[in-house]
Amino acid sequence: DAGITQSPRHKVTETGTPVTLRCHQTENHRYMYWYRQDPGHGLRLIHYSYGVKDTDKGEVSDGYSVSRSKTEDFLLTLESATSSQTSVYFCAISSGTGNYGYTFGSGTRLTVV
Amino acid sequence: AQSVTQLDSQVPVFEEAPVELRCNYSSSVSVYLFWYVQYPNQGLQLLLKYLSGSTLVKGINGFEAEFNKSQTSFHLRKPSVHISDTAEYFCAVSVINDYKLSFGAGTTVTVRA
Repeated sequence: DAGITQSPRHKVTETGTPVTLRCHQTENHRYMYWYRQDPGHGLRLIHYSYGVKDTDKGEVSDGYSVSRSKTEDFLLTLESATSSQTSVYFCAISSGTGNYGYTFGSGTRLTVV
Repeated sequence: AQSVTQLDSQVPVFEEAPVELRCNYSSSVSVYLFWYVQYPNQGLQLLLKYLSGSTLVKGINGFEAEFNKSQTSFHLRKPSVHISDTAEYFCAVSVINDYKLSFGAGTTVTVRA
């Protein structure tokens, strides 16, 4: 989507290696989120950020860490990738509480072999 | 905590027929409600949202949804579908004054000629 980009779009990695996914926004929105999408589960929140250096855990945060050193960038790191982390990862941004809506990136398809 | 249940995982429908996708939510406090659509290999796009006011909400592409507080439901409808409506549809909820979005598991709509 315009204003939010994810990189890489596709990645294959080996079990046990660290992986970092990047979300970049040009909207200057305060809130940023990382979700994972798996069949039968919809989207589940991994971590979110409510400002620079302000982050918190979502419902499926084990095995993941995040960092936000600038407003525009939100990084998701898989510290030691496992096959259960094979998924499609979406970043989202929001300017405020729920009524402002969320804009989603195009996703990163990660395969852990 | 809030949760969302989408009652149908797959909905096959013929072109020009009506479709209804069912969504129920659970929350002890007031919420905002959303429907998103995901076309194959794309990110999520907002179809419509309920924040307050009229319980019938109209969205893009001819979709509408009705908020029913007593039944804690937010069903999505379209009176006549097109082949291009083939996609996955997600219902989502956000607690008022919170900034996190919780999703249902999704409903796959397949429109056949």
